[in-house]
Amino acid sequence: SQTIHQWPATLVQPVGSPLSLECTVEGTSNPNLYWYRQAAGRGLQLLFYSVGIGQISSEVPQNLSASRPQDRQFILSSKKLLLSDSGFYLCARQGLSYEQYFGPGTRLTVT
Amino acid sequence: LAKTTQPISMDSYEGQEVNITCSHNNIATNDYITWYQQFPSQGPRFIIQGYKTKVTNEVASLFIPADRKSSTLSLPRVSLSDTAVYYCLVGASGSARQLTFGSGTQLTVLP
Repeated sequence: SQTIHQWPATLVQPVGSPLSLECTVEGTSNPNLYWYRQAAGRGLQLLFYSVGIGQISSEVPQNLSASRPQDRQFILSSKKLLLSDSGFYLCARQGLSYEQYFGPGTRLTVT
Repeated sequence: LAKTTQPISMDSYEGQEVNITCSHNNIATNDYITWYQQFPSQGPRFIIQGYKTKVTNEVASLFIPADRKSSTLSLPRVSLSDTAVYYCLVGASGSARQLTFGSGTQLTVLP
């Protein structure tokens, strides 16, 4: 099976602190990977996508960054969190017919 | 990217058939139509995908008219557990294209 892992599941961080969220994918090679953020009661906002190691495309300029150090690993980072960074962060991989499969998500609260 | 328009919310009763329509007037020739279901605090789950006419799987049916400017997700005999947000997405295959999630349709199934 092709499973997506995300950790941590929940995180509470103060404003100005750094952030690192990790996503790993099992069972597939060289998947296209995506980071989304969902604010409370809202739809999903695409943040980054990657077609391979070291290849990152950013959709929304902000204080977040992404990296793909390994084929099945996708990391979302920030040097200094803002209150507006609070939300539900989802990692997804692309399927054969360009549908997307999502991980369990990380709930981030910036205080 | 083709923009989609869906009703914000719908109510139904257990055992009824539910049809959720999505408008995508500027859909491109190579765009596919994909529907997702999302429960609170979970990532969206792929339901069904189609290009034209009708697609059916064990969960739902997707009806797409000839002009492809809209699509209808049909859920047969809904139950309380079908209460969720349903998203319609339109995106191109053939590349790692980003997919934009709208606000979705909140379906509430009543007993």
